[in-house]
Amino acid sequence: GAVVSQHPSWVICKSGTSVKIECRSLDFQATTMFWYRQFPKQSLMLMATSNEGSKATYEQGVEKDKFLINHASLTLSTLTVTSAHPEDSSFYICSARPSGRILRYEQYFGPGTRLTVT
Amino acid sequence: DAKTTQPTSMDCAEGRAANLPCNHSTISGNEYVYWYRQIHSQGPQYIIHGLKNNETNEMASLIITEDRKSSTLILPHATLRDTAVYYCIATQGGSQGNLIFGKGTKLSVKP
Repeated sequence: GAVVSQHPSWVICKSGTSVKIECRSLDFQATTMFWYRQFPKQSLMLMATSNEGSKATYEQGVEKDKFLINHASLTLSTLTVTSAHPEDSSFYICSARPSGRILRYEQYFGPGTRLTVT
Repeated sequence: DAKTTQPTSMDCAEGRAANLPCNHSTISGNEYVYWYRQIHSQGPQYIIHGLKNNETNEMASLIITEDRKSSTLILPHATLRDTAVYYCIATQGGSQGNLIFGKGTKLSVKP
């Protein structure tokens, strides 16, 4: 159990276009989902916390108008990279915390999405 | 969250125990120690967590010193599939906030 999927697993887009990444909890409901970004040979960096039915909370330095997050249901959160540029090329990973769980560690990670902007 | 310090990299022979250390000397009384790992180009995977007592599950054992200033993750019989970056995180166990990942230890299991 506790499977999180991401779609697509990889995407190549042209500079200036927008890309949407989906994060789904397949066998549980998740009130809270997290979006991370990871550059090559670096650790994961939290971008934003997404709560179902409310606005996402962005970490300092993350442009909320560029990285649009929608968490419209208890099983789906989306991250849209708007007007993508080559420096947005990265590995984007989501995680989902099962609703009702109180321990921080109880979050499950998706397999990640590799974004390449040309 | 308490700062954690881990070696950058470690090697381990296949079939032997892998002992991964983590220093968290500023950990507070209500902060847990969590371990995750990330295999190349995949999302992180939860391994184990503990507060004061040593813990064991099907994946690993966690040994926490009595003063809680350091801990060791033990993979009892490392396999090639255990090659990954291992992250030690010290943070409160409550649902507030998120997990903060440091640089971790790159464990290479060699045949």
